[in-house]
Amino acid sequence: DIVLTQSPGTLSLSPGERATLSCRASQTISSNYLAWYQQKPGQAPRLLISGASSRATGIPDRFSGSGSGTDFTLTISRLEPEDFAVYYCQQYSSSPRTFGQGTKVDLK
Amino acid sequence: EVQLVESGGGLVQPGGSLRLSCAASAFTFSSYSMNWVRQAPGKGLEWVSYISSGGGTIYYADSVKGRFTISRDNAKNSLYLQMNSLRAEDTAVYYCVRQYGSFDFWGQGTLVTVSS
Repeated sequence: DIVLTQSPGTLSLSPGERATLSCRASQTISSNYLAWYQQKPGQAPRLLISGASSRATGIPDRFSGSGSGTDFTLTISRLEPEDFAVYYCQQYSSSPRTFGQGTKVDLK
Repeated sequence: EVQLVESGGGLVQPGGSLRLSCAASAFTFSSYSMNWVRQAPGKGLEWVSYISSGGGTIYYADSVKGRFTISRDNAKNSLYLQMNSLRAEDTAVYYCVRQYGSFDFWGQGTLVTVSS
């Protein structure tokens, strides 16, 4: 199984700041089949990014994804109040599909 | 608008059974692979099971293999998860999730609590 390790566990920032979230895989993720999800308390996860860098429909352009191979990054260029949430990465290049443990972005 | 609505969760004793359902609407259900993903209270996301669009290919997480059965009825636009021999560690919110490469649409989830 591919193990995804997200860092940091918690990121404490203020609105307007830049957030940089990391996701590292235990083996190469082929075809950059890496996705990012956002989850707010009491809500289902929402797809933000697929294919490592393609924003899902309706996702603001302050969210961007990058990386390849085993190292991937989600960047939120300027945090809005509604962006404080937990973010998960997921690989869908092999079975079983696996998720990282999540990074919580909270208010400083 | 795509909708996935889960039902069937509740409180069940260890060793008991439960059947979850997911009603899909506003998309061609028979064209998409589907998954169940769960989230234990305060924990992260865990993929549980996958079924291909026609139902011919099925996968399970090792943690549920032999106890859970995924199925679908494309005529009824519905996905199911039969859960047997439930354990305390199966306690979680269970999400029905559409797959289009990544997991592009999620239901709101149904809570399963396994406790005596």
